[in-house]
Amino acid sequence: GAVVSQHPSWVICKSGTSVKIECRSLDFQATTMFWYRQFPKQSLMLMATSNEGSKATYEQGVEKDKFLINHASLTLSTLTVTSAHPEDSSFYICSARDRDMGTGELFFGEGSRLTVL
Amino acid sequence: GEDVEQSLFLSVREGDSSVINCTYTDSSSTYLYWYKQEPGAGLQLLTYIFSNMDMKQDQRLTVLLNKKDKHLSLRIADTQTGDSAIYFCAELKGGDYKLSFGAGTTVTVRA
Repeated sequence: GAVVSQHPSWVICKSGTSVKIECRSLDFQATTMFWYRQFPKQSLMLMATSNEGSKATYEQGVEKDKFLINHASLTLSTLTVTSAHPEDSSFYICSARDRDMGTGELFFGEGSRLTVL
Repeated sequence: GEDVEQSLFLSVREGDSSVINCTYTDSSSTYLYWYKQEPGAGLQLLTYIFSNMDMKQDQRLTVLLNKKDKHLSLRIADTQTGDSAIYFCAELKGGDYKLSFGAGTTVTVRA
């Protein structure tokens, strides 16, 4: 299957700093990527839809100024957690769909674990 | 409540078959998915089924879809210790490719 890579895999930062997480589609182009958040032993919660060349679409209750999303190319979306606080600590996972495939396959990255001290 | 519901735990003996069940609510869902998540890792797409299909088989995996009852199941034949993980059922509604996930079923394979 197609490969979606996230970087970094894990990051520890101090409260008040900003952290950027990258999501790359390695062998396909993705006009749309999705960012999810997962709390321990819970399901995935969709945060936002990242659209190449336009603004992201955020789900209800997700602060767009807190979670900045940029989709600058067909293979890269970034999520920046601004002024991070301990409650932002979570597992963040992105997914992407191959724009050239007419199937429903959606591939996920390996996830990025953020710990805010 | 959840749009997609799954039982939370399943324990199975190595070599037996595992059956994970899922119910969803939206009859207009186009695709239904099964993902596997191992500890600390992302989601691995196991298989998916289009809503006009009743069954899909891929090696040890068999997916059954009952559209009338909005019921989806995943059968893993000859379950191995490496199959221990959390399995998520997800439905795709509409054309925007947003997924709704169930809470996940933790499968434990015992020797």
